[in-house]
Amino acid sequence: DIQMTQSPSSLSASVGDRVTITCRASQSVSRYLNWYQQKSGEAPKLLIYAASSLQSGVPSRFSGSGSGPDFTLTISNLQPEDFATYYCQQSYSFPRTFGQGTKLDFK
Amino acid sequence: QVQLLQSGAEVERPGASVKVSCKASAYTFIDYYIHWVRQAPGQGLEWMGWINPKSGDTKYAQRFQGRVTMTRDTSISTVYIDLSSLTSDDTAIYHCVRGVTVGGFGCFDLWGQGTLVTVSS
Repeated sequence: DIQMTQSPSSLSASVGDRVTITCRASQSVSRYLNWYQQKSGEAPKLLIYAASSLQSGVPSRFSGSGSGPDFTLTISNLQPEDFATYYCQQSYSFPRTFGQGTKLDFK
Repeated sequence: QVQLLQSGAEVERPGASVKVSCKASAYTFIDYYIHWVRQAPGQGLEWMGWINPKSGDTKYAQRFQGRVTMTRDTSISTVYIDLSSLTSDDTAIYHCVRGVTVGGFGCFDLWGQGTLVTVSS
């Protein structure tokens, strides 16, 4: 199985900040990497697919980059509704695997 | 409205089985695979397997082999997951999720609201 490791596990920031979350796969997953946002008590929501493609309806302050084993999710100009937990997920092979999550909260 | 609507919370005894349903609305049911992903309390996301609603073919994560069964009823656009031999480690929220492929890249674009399964004696 491909292991996905996110860092940091938690992150404190303020409205207007720019934050970056990293995700590393235990082997290359090419660009088969997705990012999800999960707010407390809700189901996850797709933000980014294929490493850098923005899902329809997702604000442009979210961006993704990377390939191979290393990826980043960047949120520019943090908004109050962005404070949530973020997960990366590989779709390169089965079983599909997720990172352990990065919790973004208010500083 | 395009959605996946799941059945309500369940409480089961250790050793029992549980069956959760997931009804698709406002899209062509047989055109998209449905996956199941679970989340234990305060924990991350764990993929359990998929079902092809058109053919009924399934693929399960190795760790659930022999204990999980995914089925579908195309007449009511509903998929089911049945998990047997429950232990307290199976206490989790279970989500059905629509899998899509865009330009050859797969992702989960639509999630059910989740069904809490509690295993307790």
